[in-house]
Amino acid sequence: GIQVEQSPPDLILQEGANSTLRCNFSDSVNNLQWFHQNPWGQLINLFYIPSGTKQNGRLSATTVATERYSLLYISSSQTTDSGVYFCAVGGYSTLTFGKGTMLLVSP
Amino acid sequence: EPEVTQTPSHQVTQMGQEVILRCVPISNHLYFYWYRQILGQKVEFLVSFYNNEISEKSEIFDDQFSVERPDGSNFTLKIRSTKLEDSAMYFCASKIQGTEAFFGQGTRLTVV
Repeated sequence: GIQVEQSPPDLILQEGANSTLRCNFSDSVNNLQWFHQNPWGQLINLFYIPSGTKQNGRLSATTVATERYSLLYISSSQTTDSGVYFCAVGGYSTLTFGKGTMLLVSP
Repeated sequence: EPEVTQTPSHQVTQMGQEVILRCVPISNHLYFYWYRQILGQKVEFLVSFYNNEISEKSEIFDDQFSVERPDGSNFTLKIRSTKLEDSAMYFCASKIQGTEAFFGQGTRLTVV
């Protein structure tokens, strides 16, 4: 099956710093989503981005499908950004998740 | 904004007991899924359901698991005889074909 590798596995930032999270995948995909898992365990949809670039406030994402990677940018990080960020990829149906990047933003 | 709703949020059960996890997908969605996440690990696919039948299932989804859409709104996951290793967060998701999947808030199952 498809392999999904996320980096870095852990990241510690000071509030206000910027960061880039990476997702590499091993095969062509029709679906790529970024999620934020909050401390209560909920998976919050951030982006549906099988290709191209999208922005939502302080967050933006870029997927280069031909090179099989996606990047999630977080600017001016806040303590509420802490949690685990998952990349998930797939065809038209099921998703395969990466192991996630655990982000801790300290005040 | 429409959302996927799961109940209960937390369930504690004795080993060997049957549990039913419930989900109400987004109303116009046609594809339904169950995923699980063992504590500290990644989210894993269990089963997908379309047109009142299972369309795909993983190796995890063995004979102790079953899914059902008993009416027009609910989607359930049954675990017949729970084991300690079934303790996990179970997520329901739904989607329209070719779009993003939306996940519920999860049911945390603890088997004791």
